[in-house]
Amino acid sequence: DGGITQSPKYLFRKEGQNVTLSCEQNLNHDAMYWYRQDPGQGLRLIYYSQIVNDFQKGDIAEGYSVSREKKESFPLTVTSAQKNPTAFYLCASMDTRSRTDTQYFGPGTRLTVL
Amino acid sequence: DQQVKQNSPSLSVQEGRISILNCDYTNSMFDYFLWYKKYPAEGPTFLISISSIKDKNEDGRFTVFLNKSAKHLSLHIVPSQPGDSAVYFCAATDSWGKLQFGAGTQVVVTP
Repeated sequence: DGGITQSPKYLFRKEGQNVTLSCEQNLNHDAMYWYRQDPGQGLRLIYYSQIVNDFQKGDIAEGYSVSREKKESFPLTVTSAQKNPTAFYLCASMDTRSRTDTQYFGPGTRLTVL
Repeated sequence: DQQVKQNSPSLSVQEGRISILNCDYTNSMFDYFLWYKKYPAEGPTFLISISSIKDKNEDGRFTVFLNKSAKHLSLHIVPSQPGDSAVYFCAATDSWGKLQFGAGTQVVVTP
């Protein structure tokens, strides 16, 4: 089954703790992305990676960090520096060799910081 | 500064009728546009897209229209079905696959 998986579905953390969200894809896509969604807002780009061992900041990177050690994996760490971490986090991937800029999304992780 | 705008947060339509969702953009460099459908607590699913070299793209019940001079695109769903009730996001990109999303439109299809 090809696709993008995110785990866990729901995550609770205490304020001040770092937390890492998992994103794995077996679609052989080069590019991967992290977004957050807040109520009444569209998806906002946190970080993205076009190739392994390289990544770029998106529009709202402050308080987040990522790594891209493997093509299949793009974990996101929400650090204690992120002022408002409670949100729905979405990971996506894209085949940069395709003629279209279509990103495919995982099921999301709902992070709640208590 | 939001470059992609969906000014209607919600839309209610009767089953069998047409749903028309609108999207405006400000960046003239955008050359590829997409619509995604999203159910609560799930990831968005790709619906339909259009390149800036076209003004219409059709896929079954879904048609996207692009008016480049007005920087406007719309999604038509006809006929609307109860399973179409979801949030629809418009997105646009100019390069490197970085998508800019609108805020979404909640569609409710009533019997």
